[in-house]
Amino acid sequence: AQSVTQLGSHVSVSEGALVLLRCNYSSSVPPYLFWYVQYPNQGLQLLLKYTTGATLVKGINGFEAEFKKSETSFHLTKPSAHMSDAAEYFCAVSDLQGAQKLVFGQGTRLTINP
Amino acid sequence: NAGVTQTPKFQVLKTGQSMTLQCAQDMNHEYMSWYRQDPGMGLRLIHYSVGAGITDQGEVPNGYNVSRSTTEDFPLRLLSAAPSQTSVYFCASSYSSGFSYEQYFGPGTRLTVT
Repeated sequence: AQSVTQLGSHVSVSEGALVLLRCNYSSSVPPYLFWYVQYPNQGLQLLLKYTTGATLVKGINGFEAEFKKSETSFHLTKPSAHMSDAAEYFCAVSDLQGAQKLVFGQGTRLTINP
Repeated sequence: NAGVTQTPKFQVLKTGQSMTLQCAQDMNHEYMSWYRQDPGMGLRLIHYSVGAGITDQGEVPNGYNVSRSTTEDFPLRLLSAAPSQTSVYFCASSYSSGFSYEQYFGPGTRLTVT
C-alpha cells in the first residue's frame, strides 16, 4: 500500500525567505507524485507533478520539487515566499495502475510572516 | 467551462437523515471521485468511477453510496447520516488515460451531522 508523510503540520516563514515543505512517500512500484495547494474555503489546485523523466519538476507560482528515489522524498521548495503563498499544501502519491487514485499526506499549513 | 461544481456548499443534518451531495463536471472527463477531508488526515478517497455505469470503492466507503448514470454527474448519497460523517467533501474529475493525471477539484461541501 502507498502512503505519504508530510513532516510538519504547520510551517511559518518570513516573507522573502525560502519555503521548504517536506514529503516522504512509500510505494512498492514507481510512484507518481503530486503537490496540491488549497487556499481557504476553496478546492485543491495542482501545483506540480512528477510522473516520469526529469526529477526536478517546476510548477506554478515559482514552486518546484525534486524526486529523490533513494530518499523516497518529494520536497517542495520556493526561493522567496510571498504573502499570497499562505495556504495548506498537500503531497499525494499514486501509481501507473491507479493513477487517479490519490493517497494524500495530512497536509502542511504554510504561514507567511510580514 | 464551469469545471467541477458541487452543491450544496453547506449542509447540516441530524443523525439518521439521508441526503445526496451533487457533483457535476463539463470537461467530458471519464474519471470522477469523491474525497473527504478531515483535520490532520488529509483527503481520503470514498468512491470513484472510471466511466458511466462503473463505480468502485475507495479507502473509506462505508456509509456512502454512489452511482454514475451519465459522464457529467457523480452524486454521493449518505443513507443514514452519523456524526462521524461530519467533514468537508470534495469531488474531483480527470481523464482516465494519457499522461496528464491532473485531477480537477470542486469547491467542496461542508457537512455537519448533529
